[in-house]
Amino acid sequence: GAGVSQTPSNKVTEKGKYVELRCDPISGHTALYWYRQSLGQGPEFLIYFQGTGAADDSGLPNDRFFAVRPEGSVSTLKIQRTERGDSAVYLCASSYQTGSSYNEQFFGPGTRLTVL
Amino acid sequence: AQTVTQSQPEMSVQEAETVTLSCTYDTSESDYYLFWYKQPPSRQMILVIRQEAYKQQNATENRFSVNFQKAAKSFSLKISDSQLGDAAMYFCAYKWYGQNFVFGPGTRLSVLP
Repeated sequence: GAGVSQTPSNKVTEKGKYVELRCDPISGHTALYWYRQSLGQGPEFLIYFQGTGAADDSGLPNDRFFAVRPEGSVSTLKIQRTERGDSAVYLCASSYQTGSSYNEQFFGPGTRLTVL
Repeated sequence: AQTVTQSQPEMSVQEAETVTLSCTYDTSESDYYLFWYKQPPSRQMILVIRQEAYKQQNATENRFSVNFQKAAKSFSLKISDSQLGDAAMYFCAYKWYGQNFVFGPGTRLSVLP
């Protein structure tokens, strides 16, 4: 079966532009996570969805960042008015469910965003 | 807030030898999960091993084993019989039930032929 996929794999944009990053989770996975990984650092949590709703968006750095998951499957991370500091690898992960028990998160290969 | 620390930015090991990567964490919870993830240059995060905090027995997966010291909040990874394919970034991570992962800053492991 297919794993988590992310598109595009690389995105170069100019400061001030709008970008969308897409994540296709493993089929049937109800939980979906977005992380941001800056160069030389570990992934940093941004937001997670349980189904269609954002269960925790406490990691979003500011209101330029927004994510949706309208049908409980594919998710899009949207960044408005990009800044050079937004340059990073954006990782997506999905799991069967979240809650009181552990469910392994499967990661996608990430999208490398470069803001010039 | 939970934090994860990896004090070794870089490590190297000779092929076929053993290496230990260190990780400490801070939490006030008693039940949680700890993980080691491997990230090769392809960027794909791969789960290496996980440990449930309520289990006293250290987890083992083939050449990979952990030394989990709950009281000391320490969770080190031992790689035995190191192989060239083990070269990667290794991240220690903490998870408390339904919450997201908290990752450490990573250790870059080089394997010397």
